[in-house]
This record gives sequence, structure tokens and C-alpha cells, in this order.
Amino acid sequence: QKEVEQDPGPLSVPEGAIVSLNCTYSNSAFQYFMWYRQYSRKGPELLMYTYSSGNKEDGRFTAQVDKSSKYISLFIRDSQPSDSATYLCAMSASGRTSYGKLTFGQGTILTVHP
Amino acid sequence: NAGVTQTPKFQVLKTGQSMTLQCAQDMNHEYMSWYRQDPGMGLRLIHYSVGAGITDQGEVPNGYNVSRSTTEDFPLRLLSAAPSQTSVYFCASSSFFSLSGDSIHEQFFGPGTRLTVL
Repeated sequence: QKEVEQDPGPLSVPEGAIVSLNCTYSNSAFQYFMWYRQYSRKGPELLMYTYSSGNKEDGRFTAQVDKSSKYISLFIRDSQPSDSATYLCAMSASGRTSYGKLTFGQGTILTVHP
Repeated sequence: NAGVTQTPKFQVLKTGQSMTLQCAQDMNHEYMSWYRQDPGMGLRLIHYSVGAGITDQGEVPNGYNVSRSTTEDFPLRLLSAAPSQTSVYFCASSSFFSLSGDSIHEQFFGPGTRLTVL
């Protein structure tokens, strides 16, 4: 079983829809939780970042972490065609030697159609 | 700043050949990592480094070697290429710091190298 599980989709929604992306994990040592966005044939770019539990909001994006359930989510409000990309959750433990090591989910392919 | 650069962008190898994927960063980051991305598998960590002269294995290190003689460069060597190493390879760098009380270490990724082994 992989340490981080993410539904690969693909997910197709109409413009303006609310999108929910989720990951589950099994490693209790994970403290940092991230969402990366990857456009086709490009490298991933950091979208949201959360330390430990709680919510974080940035414009149309909200990241949630529930450590008791080992479950993280990314919500996209008022989705736009420009949001079409692959979304990857990523996690790492704390501590100096852990900072260069991310464990990724499989990625969810999202298409927002006009 | 160029950020993280990778060369080559594309490469085709025959089974058994060796090659080096180059990665460089100009952000003075202490952490650098190599990942491979395969369909349905997300990104998997191959090797990483927490500073010049310090490297360690990730999830899928077999068949790959790394070294880190300078802060800027982190090359990945394929010793004897196999078809199973056909993949897209990403190099990343990061630095740990505190921002407004929130400790973060954003990893910056290069554009990737698409490798095919025949």
C-alpha cells in the first residue's frame, strides 16, 4: 500500500463548479502538507502549503488537513478553464533531513470546460 | 534568476548505455532532489541532498547514482540504462525558512527531462 493515496480521476467539471480533491495517507510522521499544480509538459508548482492540522485559504483555493483521519483536501471555488491541470498532493515529515523529501500522491487530472 | 535548470530536455538511450542528467540551481538552496514521474504513479523520490557532500537514497534509488560537490549542481547518473527507466525526471531545490511565523520549505522544480530507453 502506498503511503499517500490520491484518486487519479480524471475529473471533468463545468466552469464555475466547486472542485474537491482529496488524499489519504498512512504515515503519522507527516507534518507538512502541500498541493502542487502541474500543467502539461511542465514541472510542478507549489499551490498551497499547510503545516499540521487546520485550514488555509488563498483566493479561490482552500486547503484542509485532518490529521486525526489522515486526510487532506483541496477545494477550488468558481473553477476556471485555466485551472485545468494535474493536481498533486505532497507531504513530508519535520526535521532537517526530511525537508528535501516529499512523498507525492498519484495526481488528479482536472479539466474545467467552458 | 534562472531558478532550476535541467539538461537535456529529451534523450533517447539504448539499453546498457550510461548518461548523466544535469541539474543546476542559482537560488543558493541547500536541499536538492531528483524525482521520476510515471503515469499513474505520481512523483517518486530517487535521491536527495541536504547540502554539498551529503546525499541519501529516496524511494527508488536502484540504477541511479548522485553526487553533490557544489551547492549549485546535483547531477543524476544512470549507470546502465534499462527500459524500466523510461520516465520523466524532475530535479527540485528548496531552502527551509520561516515566513511570518510559518515554517515552510517550498520545493522549486525544473522543467524536466524526458528519457526513453529502447
